[in-house]
Amino acid sequence: QQQVKQSPQSLIVQKGGISIINCAYENTAFDYFPWYQQFPGKGPALLIAIRPDVSEKKEGRFTISFNKSAKQFSLHIMDSQPGDSATYFCAASSYGQNFVFGPGTRLSVLP
Amino acid sequence: DAGVTQSPTHLIKTRGQQVTLRCSPISGHKSVSWYQQVLGQGPQFIFQYYEKEERGRGNFPDRFSARQFPNYSSELNVNALLLGDSALYLCASSLWGVDTEAFFGQGTRLTVV
Repeated sequence: QQQVKQSPQSLIVQKGGISIINCAYENTAFDYFPWYQQFPGKGPALLIAIRPDVSEKKEGRFTISFNKSAKQFSLHIMDSQPGDSATYFCAASSYGQNFVFGPGTRLSVLP
Repeated sequence: DAGVTQSPTHLIKTRGQQVTLRCSPISGHKSVSWYQQVLGQGPQFIFQYYEKEERGRGNFPDRFSARQFPNYSSELNVNALLLGDSALYLCASSLWGVDTEAFFGQGTRLTVV
């Protein structure tokens, strides 16, 4: 019940396209859902986060869509750029405690 | 402001040895968490500390231990190293409370040979 599922495992998108990564969870106690971006050899960097009382949050080219009833959330990257090529992790936590991470999506944006 | 700093950045140890990894949180952050990231996988939670007390522990053997100091820095110790302990060890710092942002350091790459 602590697991966070993430798909796809890898994603190839043309420059300027939309990248979409999906996550699903089971634990209804989760109340905070961040997305992290990680480049090789670096630690994860916080991109954007959402709480379940909001259905959508947008920051620049990054948007989180949240479906509480389906226990699913997704990251949309608009106008994808080669510099966005990285591994993306969704995560969930409950009451400020530790994060449970998804297995990651490796995104490649072709020039 | 400095971010989360971890030391060392890389480490090579032999099976059976012991290792200590260090983390300095962002100034003002009192909570430190440790994660293990095996190549190709998402980070797995090891420990969380707040105000020098352990607030959470993941599913790791007793060979793993940690502590937090009065200045909120932290150490992760791993005894009797196994080949399977080879991973990127990440430290995250945050304020304490619901949906507070967590910021990760660059990690310590541990290789056990």
